Amino acid sequence: QVQLQESGPGLVKPSETLSLTCVVSGYSISSGYNWGWIRQPPGKGLEWIGSIYHSGSTYYSPSLKSRVTISVDTSKNQFSLKLSSVTAADTAVYYCARPRNSGWFGAFEIWGQGTMVTVSS
Amino acid sequence: QSVLTQPPSVSGAPGQRVTISCTGSSSNIGAGYDVQWYQQLPGTAPKLLIYGNSNRPSGVPDRFSGSKSGTSASLAIAGLQAEDEADYYCQFYDSSLSVVVFGGGTKLTVL
Repeated sequence: QVQLQESGPGLVKPSETLSLTCVVSGYSISSGYNWGWIRQPPGKGLEWIGSIYHSGSTYYSPSLKSRVTISVDTSKNQFSLKLSSVTAADTAVYYCARPRNSGWFGAFEIWGQGTMVTVSS
Repeated sequence: QSVLTQPPSVSGAPGQRVTISCTGSSSNIGAGYDVQWYQQLPGTAPKLLIYGNSNRPSGVPDRFSGSKSGTSASLAIAGLQAEDEADYYCQFYDSSLSVVVFGGGTKLTVL
C-alpha cells in the first residue's frame, strides 16, 4: 500500500527557506504520477502549492511560483519542496499527496499525515 | 479568495440530507472541468470523497453523492451521521493554466 511521509523542520525563521521532503513507500516515483504539495494555514482552507511529474516537470501555483521549487529524487523515492523568503503567512500544515490516477492533477487520493511548519524568529 | 465559492457552514440533524454547493463560473466548472470533493475530519489529512463530479472511491459510503450542473457542483450527504461532522472542500484542475484550485471549504455541523 502506498504511503507518503513528510519530514522537515517544524520551525523556520522569517526570510529563510522552508525545506520539506516527502518520502514515498509502496510505489516507485519513477513509475508515474504527478506528486503534489498542499498546505493549510491554521484554521483556514487548503491551498495547492504545486506538483511535479515523475519525469521532473513542475507546475506551481501562480501566487507562490516566484518562491517555490519542487524537485524529485527517484533514487531516494522522494520529492521535495523549497519555499524561499518565508513570512508568518507561510505558517501552515504542509501535506504531500498523490492523485488517484497517473497523469491526473488534483483528485488527490493518497495523502501524507501532514507536517506543521511555523515561521517565527 | 478562491474562484470556487462554498458556503462557510451548513448544518443538519442526524438522518437528514444536506447539500454543499460549490459555485464557479463559465471559465472553470462551467467550462467542463471535473470537480472533486474532499472530507477533512478534525486534525486529519483530507480524504478524497468524490472524483470526476460524481464518482466515489471504493470505501466511500453511497450516502455521499456528487453532481454538477452549469457553473456549480454539489455534494449531497444523505442519512446524516455524527461522524460526518467535518470540513468539506471542492476542487478542480484548470488544465489551461495547469493549476489545481480548491474551494474555500464548508464546515458541516451535525446538530
